[in-house]
Amino acid sequence: KAGVTQTPRYLIKTRGQQVTLSCSPISGHRSVSWYQQTPGQGLQFLFEYFSETQRNKGNFPGRFSGRQFSNSRSEMNVSTLELGDSALYLCASSLLLQGGTEAFFGQGTRLTVV
Amino acid sequence: GESVGLHLPTLSVQEGDNSIINCAYSNSASDYFIWYKQESGKGPQFIIDIRSNMDKRQGQRVTVLLNKTVKHLSLQIAATQPGDSAVYFCAENSLQGAQKLVFGQGTRLTINP
Repeated sequence: KAGVTQTPRYLIKTRGQQVTLSCSPISGHRSVSWYQQTPGQGLQFLFEYFSETQRNKGNFPGRFSGRQFSNSRSEMNVSTLELGDSALYLCASSLLLQGGTEAFFGQGTRLTVV
Repeated sequence: GESVGLHLPTLSVQEGDNSIINCAYSNSASDYFIWYKQESGKGPQFIIDIRSNMDKRQGQRVTVLLNKTVKHLSLQIAATQPGDSAVYFCAENSLQGAQKLVFGQGTRLTINP
């Protein structure tokens, strides 16, 4: 069974640009959530999608957005990039059975803003 | 488990010894907890989980203990091996039927030969 796949693995962008990251969840998983990981703030929740709907959102500015497609694949977009957006962006997928289920993470996309 | 720290706590143990990694979580309404292992350059890897209606759960070489009274979670790793060297995170989820994990700051475990 293939794991969570994130593309690209590495990305370098310039301040002011925008970027789109992609996540393919484990087959059959309908919940996809995104996290930002930085040395200073650790792992922070960005948003969660389920059946193409954003259900939960973390405390990030509106420059951070996402979407989910009918096949559960998800993308996140960051517009008007700032230096502080440099981070490892992680995607996790879950079956979301009642009572909580494991979230499986991808390898992440390392974004560097210069 | 709010991740606010800049400095990762560290734990060094001798190969073959047992390790105990601790975590304090923040939300008394959290009902599901997970321990993750993250190696350099990789995403977090699921180790073991526990629901709030349990206080102990065992896996292969790992045990998770949950103390809801003091909002404390611990991960015990038996007979540590060099491959156990990594950063370990606890995570809590307080949303039934949704996925919004709040992570602790992590503990860097180093195994000495």
